[in-house]
Formats: sequence, C-alpha cells, structure tokens
Amino acid sequence: GAVVSQHPSWVICKSGTSVKIECRSLDFQATTMFWYRQFPKQSLMLMATSNEGSKATYEQGVEKDKFLINHASLTLSTLTVTSAHPEDSSFYICSARDQEGFTDTQYFGPGTRLTVL
Amino acid sequence: LAKTTQPISMDSYEGQEVNITCSHNNIATNDYITWYQQFPSQGPRFIIQGYKTKVTNEVASLFIPADRKSSTLSLPRVSLSDTAVYYCLVGETAGNKLTFGGGTRVLVKP
Repeated sequence: GAVVSQHPSWVICKSGTSVKIECRSLDFQATTMFWYRQFPKQSLMLMATSNEGSKATYEQGVEKDKFLINHASLTLSTLTVTSAHPEDSSFYICSARDQEGFTDTQYFGPGTRLTVL
Repeated sequence: LAKTTQPISMDSYEGQEVNITCSHNNIATNDYITWYQQFPSQGPRFIIQGYKTKVTNEVASLFIPADRKSSTLSLPRVSLSDTAVYYCLVGETAGNKLTFGGGTRVLVKP
C-alpha cells in the first residue's frame, strides 16, 4: 500500500529556533500534500495544502510566515516552523494525495511530535 | 464539504462486531465517504472508501444506503488492538481537502 514517512518523529527545541519537518511519499508521486496539526485529545486540523512547484495554500488563521512549506519534488514536502514558541508544541501530521490507479486518497505519515521549551 | 456526525464513543468486547454510523445529510452528488483509523500519537490510517451500496475489504465493510445520507462502518470480530479513534469524512474525493470531525473513540474490552 501507499506509504508516507515523516522525519523526525519527534523533536525538542528551544524557543526562538526553527524546526524543519520532512514528509515523503515513498512508493508513489504526490503533486499534493497536506499538513495538519493535532493537539492532545483533539481532532486533526488542516493547516495548509502543499502543491508541487507552487506556493502552498494556507487555511484561515494559519500564519504563512511562521509555517513555511516547500514542496520541491513529487515525493517531498517540508514544513518549517520558524521562531518556534511553546504554543507551537503539537503533533504535526502530513498526508500525501495518491491519484495513481483508480482511487484518489490521502495517506498519512506517522506524525512528528514537536516540543518547544 | 459535507458535515458529518458520529457518536463520540463506543465500547465493545473482543470478538464482537462493531458498527459505527456516520450521518452526512448534506452529502453532494460527487462526494465519496472515507473512513480513517487513528491510534494515539500516530497518523490516521486509511480503512475504506465508498460511494454507494456496500464496499468490503480485508479489514472492514462500509454500508451506504440509497439516499447516502448516512453510512456505517462495520468492523468484524474486533480485538483489543482495534481500540482507536475512527473518523468518517465526506468529500468530492478523499484526496482533496479533508475536514476531520471529532471521530468516534472505540474501546474494545477483553
């Protein structure tokens, strides 16, 4: 089946630093990837849609200058949390859109736990 | 995007069948219904997708009545490892933007 990886799986950083999270589709090409965040005991919240070769589309209320997204290839999208603060601590999950074959489905990565001290 | 309503939680026992019903009264003609499973501190895992009638795969069945205003995910003979949150999503395709609702927390007891 379709596999999506994320790296790192967890990261701890100091307030004010930047953190980059990678999302890769391992066995399919994805022109579209999505980034979500999830707080404890809550549902996933879509942050942005990442399209290969073009600018990401951010959901209302998500600061595009704080959460930089780059979708440089058909298998890789990165999310950079710039000048991270404790309130950015969360579980970040990416997904990749698989349009190969007869279905059109999102497959999710395992998530990245970010803790900002 | 069609809004979905699911029970907040359900309890079951090992070996039983679990049925989770999702309401989506304003589903559009082009919308598909997709279910995901999520364990704590993991990304959601795709379970099944359907448009109408019945879809079955190796892990679950999805029943969709003719009016498509609801759907039921059926998990046969659950085990303790099926304890998770199950999300029902409706959209033109599951590949496009997804809006996650609260999901249903299923607890399987021994």
